Amino acid sequence: NAGVTQTPKFQVLKTGQSMTLQCAQDMNHEYMSWYRQDPGMGLRLIHYSVGAGITDQGEVPNGYNVSRSTTEDFPLRLLSAAPSQTSVYFCASSIDREAGNTIYFGEGSWLTVV
Amino acid sequence: DAKTTQPPSMDCAEGRAANLPCNHSTISGNEYVYWYRQIHSQGPQYIIHGLKNNETNEMASLIITEDRKSSTLILPHATLRDTAVYYCIAKQTGNQFYFGTGTSLTVIP
Repeated sequence: NAGVTQTPKFQVLKTGQSMTLQCAQDMNHEYMSWYRQDPGMGLRLIHYSVGAGITDQGEVPNGYNVSRSTTEDFPLRLLSAAPSQTSVYFCASSIDREAGNTIYFGEGSWLTVV
Repeated sequence: DAKTTQPPSMDCAEGRAANLPCNHSTISGNEYVYWYRQIHSQGPQYIIHGLKNNETNEMASLIITEDRKSSTLILPHATLRDTAVYYCIAKQTGNQFYFGTGTSLTVIP
């Protein structure tokens, strides 16, 4: 029973490099989302998807791309990493985004951009 | 979605009830109140949610005032493992979950 799986758990990037944070869920959830959490802060929504082929922006989408080619996977791409993107990234999923449906989070990916 | 206001930090003695308040004075009739918690460095964990009625599950109780402008999360017998940041969220159907900065609860031995 894997739930929401994120990889990698830790990553160090140089400024300007690109990379992809992977997120997979095995619960057949329609809704998936990415959050970032900076030290001492709450979670901020980056991008979300309500189903395969559908994505939309959250609060802080700049510098990130997403795609949803399958129900299971929702990768987050950093196009040209900047030190301001140093953060912990959480992927989440739920059956759908209706009220009453709880969301399940992955364990986080720690990203440092130097 | 309605803005929620929570105290930044609280302490609670181990074994006592922890009562965490949340103000959501602009909440609309179809917005649910959710509570999540985040134990250090882990992904947030669902606790409980409700619309109008008080709710109880194996983790906690949620008390919502009659006018729905505020709510209280109650952990009946706090343990050291309940030390975490607790997030109160007011969410409407079809909208996203927006997290604030929450309340940092410290359970003291």
